[in-house]
Amino acid sequence: GQQVMQIPQYQHVQEGEDFTTYCNSSTTLSNIQWYKQRPGGHPVFLIQLVKSGEVKKQKRLTFQFGEAKKNSSLHITATQTTDVGTYFCAGDAGNNRKLIWGLGTSLAVNP
Amino acid sequence: SQTIHQWPATLVQPVGSPLSLECTVEGTSNPNLYWYRQAAGRGLQLLFYSVGIGQISSEVPQNLSASRPQDRQFILSSKKLLLSDSGFYLCAWSSPGLLNSPLHFGNGTRLTVT
Repeated sequence: GQQVMQIPQYQHVQEGEDFTTYCNSSTTLSNIQWYKQRPGGHPVFLIQLVKSGEVKKQKRLTFQFGEAKKNSSLHITATQTTDVGTYFCAGDAGNNRKLIWGLGTSLAVNP
Repeated sequence: SQTIHQWPATLVQPVGSPLSLECTVEGTSNPNLYWYRQAAGRGLQLLFYSVGIGQISSEVPQNLSASRPQDRQFILSSKKLLLSDSGFYLCAWSSPGLLNSPLHFGNGTRLTVT
């Protein structure tokens, strides 16, 4: 079946270091969405990427969608303790099929 | 603006007891509604989704059921809970039309079946 692999599973960084999580889909996606879940909280929508090669920025966060629309990345520059949480990608394979969720990358930041 | 309410926040139920979790959305009409379960703080598993009143699609066969008695109300039920039903249950809505438009989650219900 269709899968979205997300790596790494965990990442522990010092505050100020950069962080990147990657998503790779087994199938071409019509769009990919990114969510953040703080410890004890619920997932919160961050962004949706639709176009091949698209790059979007939100302050220190940079999101990329691959040219083949099968992979995506989230990069955080100069992490802060407020970035702690689990980051999920969710791929939309189109034709109203359900979202395919990655298992998430849990980010811990040492102050 | 749109808001989603989900309750209760936590629930401890014995095995074999019934379950009813409720979710309501305000500020939008005919939303797509979803129930997800998250086990052990990790991946999200889609349980049910609904594109309209009385229309329920089940993704995973189990002892849970869902109903949508009103446009902005989504209910998750079980007649007899199992230990394996423990988890974090999340209701979500998305804009009507495209099924996979961005999801907006409620605060979730942490269910412990003892």
